[in-house]
Amino acid sequence: NAGVMQNPRHLVRRRGQEARLRCSPMKGHSHVYWYRQLPEEGLKFMVYLQKENIIDESGMPKERFSAEFPKEGPSILRIQQVVRGDSAAYFCASSPPAGYQETQYFGPGTRLLVL
Amino acid sequence: KQEVTQIPAALSVPEGENLVLNCSFTDSAIYNLQWFRQDPGKGLTSLLLIQSSQREQTSGRLNASLDKSSGRSTLYIAASQPGDSATYLCAVRHGANSKLTFGKGITLSVRP
Repeated sequence: NAGVMQNPRHLVRRRGQEARLRCSPMKGHSHVYWYRQLPEEGLKFMVYLQKENIIDESGMPKERFSAEFPKEGPSILRIQQVVRGDSAAYFCASSPPAGYQETQYFGPGTRLLVL
Repeated sequence: KQEVTQIPAALSVPEGENLVLNCSFTDSAIYNLQWFRQDPGKGLTSLLLIQSSQREQTSGRLNASLDKSSGRSTLYIAASQPGDSATYLCAVRHGANSKLTFGKGITLSVRP
């Protein structure tokens, strides 16, 4: 069973471009979470999705950021018109349906650099 | 709003030393608490998960304790090794399948 996969691992964008980050959860996992780790900061929650539904987007910036988890295919975190402050590591985590011992399994992250 | 604090931010110890990493949280109404390890440029590896009804969990040389009433958790590492050098993150959760709230982590360096 492959772990959580994220691609690309590294992404360089110029200011104003769009960034698309992809996350494939572990097999059998229907819950996906996105976190952002800014330099010298801890991981901050962004959004929690289940298939075709956004459950909690309380950590998402109000503008330029969007996320989806379609019925088929990976979850996508999209950042429009990137700015230098968007440079960070973006981690995706997945978990199985609710259970007492559930944990979140993290991917290796996508490191976004905005020039 | 839940806040998770890990102090100090960095720690350097000689190999073989037993050590304790601290984590505190402001809202004691948690569902579970988890300790993660993060190596430079890598993702997170789950080390130990403690449910709110539990007091401690052990895995090999690692032992994590939880005191909900005081809002504290500790990660005990026995007989530290250079391979333990990494950043250790504490995270709390308020409900099943809810988000994790992380501390900033403690960067541990174990000197040979």
